[in-house]
Amino acid sequence: DTEVTQTPKHLVMGMTNKKSLKCEQHMGHRAMYWYKQKAKKPPELMFVYSYEKLSINESVPSRFSPECPNSSLLNLHLHALQPEDSALYLCASSHEAGTGIYGYTFGSGTRLTVV
Amino acid sequence: QKEVEQNSGPLSVPEGAIASLNCTYSDRGSQSFFWYRQYSGKSPELIMFIYSNGDKEDGRFTAQLNKASQYVSLLIRDSQPSDSATYLCAGLSGNTPLVFGKGTRLSVIA
Repeated sequence: DTEVTQTPKHLVMGMTNKKSLKCEQHMGHRAMYWYKQKAKKPPELMFVYSYEKLSINESVPSRFSPECPNSSLLNLHLHALQPEDSALYLCASSHEAGTGIYGYTFGSGTRLTVV
Repeated sequence: QKEVEQNSGPLSVPEGAIASLNCTYSDRGSQSFFWYRQYSGKSPELIMFIYSNGDKEDGRFTAQLNKASQYVSLLIRDSQPSDSATYLCAGLSGNTPLVFGKGTRLSVIA
């Protein structure tokens, strides 16, 4: 199994809603990542989990809350988002955080629209 | 600041031609480089990685790395309209996360 699975594929939420994005991988990877991507821009790193512990938080607003329940799962909890948070949210995984030659495997992403 | 620079394009090539995509990087400690292809509205897909100086070929794709010049390139031979996408160059250094360039938009004209 060489996939990273993200759900849902599309999400529309109001500014007062609470929702969660989910990501799952069964490749035995020990590092998982959340990226945010706006149109015509490269992916922008949000969080890095290494061995189920948060190792990097790129000064992301607290309305985004990551969670890594186990080595295969990564969640992103959303609360009180703003319309400018609308973007493609990408989950990725890799063998180890930052090392190795194999790069990251990306999920298909969640297209989030905040209304 | 570790940076990866790419020309944003668009780069237009006729069908059947060779497309040449280029990337420079600022961190001499960077060890590995990756080329991702991203279709509009889709997620990035890894198409090549390279970590040794020289060329690496895979089908119609050739990645080239020159560490002395801090330069990475991707050649796509016999370009097809289906190759039209944004190509992201990314570098890996030590324990820091992947650093992406801004991407080059490639358009292959039939």
